[in-house]
Amino acid sequence: LAKTTQPISMDSYEGQEVNITCSHNNIATNDYITWYQQFPSQGPRFIIQGYKTKVTNEVASLFIPADRKSSTLSLPRVSLSDTAVYYCLVGGLGYKLSFGAGTTVTVRA
Amino acid sequence: DVKVTQSSRYLVKRTGEKVFLECVQDMDHENMFWYRQDPGLGLRLIYFSYDVKMKEKGDIPEGYSVSREKKERFSLILESASTNQTSMYLCASSPLQTSGGAREQFFGPGTRLTVL
Repeated sequence: LAKTTQPISMDSYEGQEVNITCSHNNIATNDYITWYQQFPSQGPRFIIQGYKTKVTNEVASLFIPADRKSSTLSLPRVSLSDTAVYYCLVGGLGYKLSFGAGTTVTVRA
Repeated sequence: DVKVTQSSRYLVKRTGEKVFLECVQDMDHENMFWYRQDPGLGLRLIYFSYDVKMKEKGDIPEGYSVSREKKERFSLILESASTNQTSMYLCASSPLQTSGGAREQFFGPGTRLTVL
């Protein structure tokens, strides 16, 4: 499994854009990059998944450079309710996923 | 709406007790997972199952066993609970993966187990 490294915590203010970068230097050819969000007292929730370039959905955007050794999750115009832990996962076929410690994002008023 | 339910939100047991944590999913998913979550360590995979009666060890299977007799139900068993098994336990399920990236996992609300 590719090891991922992401910041432990990030602070932001309402209305700002939050960008969380995840490093995965040993990503394999078949690996995809997936992000999950976890609120306190809840299980993680899938946000977005991508293989290369850019993926966008109603919640977030995922930017993946050509070398795929890192990826950036972008949360546009965050609100207080976006305060959560965000996990970057790398994996392909197979069932094992490594969640790591995640990034705690705190949004302040 | 997809749903993964866990038998208890909070559980308190004594050292040496046999503990059963139950998980049920209503999405007809092939895959089911058990994780534990501890502060600073994220989620760690204990066991997963890709079919009825099939199981594979995750990263930290020691001290745990699992049972999957029916497709919708996946049980985690602590044969003899110890204090270092005090943790939040999360169950998840996902559809069969045939290609591409790992399929989305749907998580239950978690069971906070305290072993005294």
